Amino acid sequence: RKEVEQDPGPFNVPEGATVAFNCTYSNSASQSFFWYRQDCRKEPKLLMSVYSSGNEDGRFTAQLNRASQYISLLIRDSKLSDSATYLCVVKGDDKIIFGKGTRLHILP
Amino acid sequence: ETGVTQTPRHLVMGMTNKKSLKCEQHLGHNAMYWYKQSAKKPLELMFVYSLEERVENNSVPSRFSPECPNSSHLFLHLHTLQPEDSALYLCASSQDRTGGAYGYTFGSGTRLTVV
Repeated sequence: RKEVEQDPGPFNVPEGATVAFNCTYSNSASQSFFWYRQDCRKEPKLLMSVYSSGNEDGRFTAQLNRASQYISLLIRDSKLSDSATYLCVVKGDDKIIFGKGTRLHILP
Repeated sequence: ETGVTQTPRHLVMGMTNKKSLKCEQHLGHNAMYWYKQSAKKPLELMFVYSLEERVENNSVPSRFSPECPNSSHLFLHLHTLQPEDSALYLCASSQDRTGGAYGYTFGSGTRLTVV
């Protein structure tokens, strides 16, 4: 099993729809989790941290399932500007691992 | 200036050239990183510096040579590169080498083309 795994997509979603994607991780001792967003030809930017109890930031909801070792990102009422690659990041004791990312295209 | 600044934004170099990439962070972070991002590949960690000491070197070829003169500056010296080294090189910083509470802050990257 890969250390961090994401469905590469692309997810093609109509504007206004809800979309969700997961990220699985192999190290059960992983401590912290993040979602980053990367626009085409730009640097990754922190979207949100993922807390054990789940957390919400506007239209975005992140959840952690330690038992099944995955994190999820839900985007409600998607906007054209949400089109990007979403990177899952898992932090252990001594390293941070980035997933390959999931490409999201919001269609007008 | 705030955040993480990288220069140059774009670089085209021949295989026999020597060039350097520069990264500067204004966040008071103690750890800095070089990442390579090739087309359709995940971010590849190249080097990690914590408090100016190199703590990780992920089997990067010697044609890439990092330098961290202080906690705010990081360089990547390049020499005799190959065309397959063409990629986006990203610098990042974090509170500490484990990423801290807020993960990484990335610079805008240097898009390198080796001809």
